Amino acid sequence: QKEVEQNSGPLSVPEGAIASLNCTYSDRGSQSFFWYRQYSGKSPELIMSIYSNGDKEDGRFTAQLNKASQYVSLLIRDSQPSDSATYLCAVKASARQLTFGSGTQLTVLP
Amino acid sequence: GAVVSQHPSRVICKSGTSVKIECRSLDFQATTMFWYRQFPKQSLMLMATSNEGSKATYEQGVEKDKFLINHASLTLSTLTVTSAHPEDSSFYICSARDPGTSGRGMWEQFFGPGTRLTVL
Repeated sequence: QKEVEQNSGPLSVPEGAIASLNCTYSDRGSQSFFWYRQYSGKSPELIMSIYSNGDKEDGRFTAQLNKASQYVSLLIRDSQPSDSATYLCAVKASARQLTFGSGTQLTVLP
Repeated sequence: GAVVSQHPSRVICKSGTSVKIECRSLDFQATTMFWYRQFPKQSLMLMATSNEGSKATYEQGVEKDKFLINHASLTLSTLTVTSAHPEDSSFYICSARDPGTSGRGMWEQFFGPGTRLTVL
């Protein structure tokens, strides 16, 4: 089992729809959870961090964390073509470095 | 978020030469920086963890003599690819940990813009 798994893509949604990205992790001691966005040919950009169970909202983005079920998700409301990118889930477990998922490629269709 | 710069953004070199890549944290002090490599359409691969004032910790399979890392100050880490060969062509990305962003002792990690290395 991979330490951090993301739902396989690519994921396509129409413009204006809600995009839902999921991530599960294996280490129950994980403390911090992050979502990065990576455009093609660019480096990852941190868009959300979440540390406690529940929802955290930032603009059109909502991160959801459920430590009991060991999953974290990212919802993008009113998806725009500019949201088309690869989204990386990252988890800080007991080790000091982040563990990244393999990413989910999102395409928002105009 | 915090800003991490990386230089150069793109480099093309001949096989056998050495290439140095600089990574700087611009508005915070980073005791820990990370170096990643990413091949096209693949995920990030952590190469090494760079700690200020001490030796870097390399991931399994990464040659420490080929990828020299120096973290001489709290704002600068360098990666030198020695005797580069075409198989070293990749996208190298540094990342720095900012310990003070969330206000709860948790840290966030920010990435530099990356360096695209092409070895001919």
